[in-house]
Amino acid sequence: GAVVSQHPSRVICKSGTSVKIECRSLDFQATTMFWYRQFPKQSLMLMATSNEGSKATYEQGVEKDKFLINHASLTLSTLTVTSAHPEDSSFYICSASWPRETYEQYFGPGTRLTVT
Amino acid sequence: KNQVEQSPQSLIILEGKNCTLQCNYTVSPFSNLRWYKQDTGRGPVSLTIMTFSENTKSNGRYTATLDADTKQSSLHITASQLSDSASYICVAEGGGFKTIFGAGTRLFVKA
Repeated sequence: GAVVSQHPSRVICKSGTSVKIECRSLDFQATTMFWYRQFPKQSLMLMATSNEGSKATYEQGVEKDKFLINHASLTLSTLTVTSAHPEDSSFYICSASWPRETYEQYFGPGTRLTVT
Repeated sequence: KNQVEQSPQSLIILEGKNCTLQCNYTVSPFSNLRWYKQDTGRGPVSLTIMTFSENTKSNGRYTATLDADTKQSSLHITASQLSDSASYICVAEGGGFKTIFGAGTRLFVKA
C-alpha cells in the first residue's frame, strides 16, 4: 500500500521558536495532503487541506499565519508551527491522497510536538 | 450537523474474546464508511471501507457492517489478540474529501 512518512517523529522546542514538520508520500504522487492535530484521547481534527502548488485551505479556527503549510511538490508537504506556545503541544498527523474512486487518505505515523 | 458518534468510549476485554464497536453517523451526502485502527502514538491505518450500498466488509478478524437506512455501522473483532489494543475510529465520508471523524473507541485487550 501507499506509504507516508513524517519527520521528525518527536520534537521538543522552546516557547517562541518555530518548528517544521515534513510529510512525504514515498511511493506515490499526492495531489492533496491533509494536516491533522490530535490531543490526548481525542480524535483527529483537520487543520488544513493543501493541494500541490496552491495555497492551503484552513479549517475554521486554525490560524494560517501560525501554522504555515507548504505543498511545494507532489511528494512533500511541510507544516511550520511559528512562535510555538505550550498549548500547541500535540500530535500532528498528515495524510496524503490523490483523486481516485474512494478518495482514500494514507496517514503518516505522526509527529509528537512538545513545547516547553 | 454532520457528526459521527462512537460507543463505547472505551472497552476492556480478555484475550480471545469477541467484541463489537458501534458507530452512528449523520453525514449528508454520504458516500463511504471507514474504520481505522490507531495504535498509540501512530497514525491511523485503514481496516475497512464500505460504500453506501454495501452491508458488510471483512478484513481478517475484523468485520464491519453498515446500515445506510439507520445510519449505523459496527466493527466486530473476533478472537481478540493483545495487539488489537488500540483506538478504533469510525469515519463517514460525504463525497470528495469531506471526511467526518468519530472520537474513537479505545480497546484494551488483557491477557
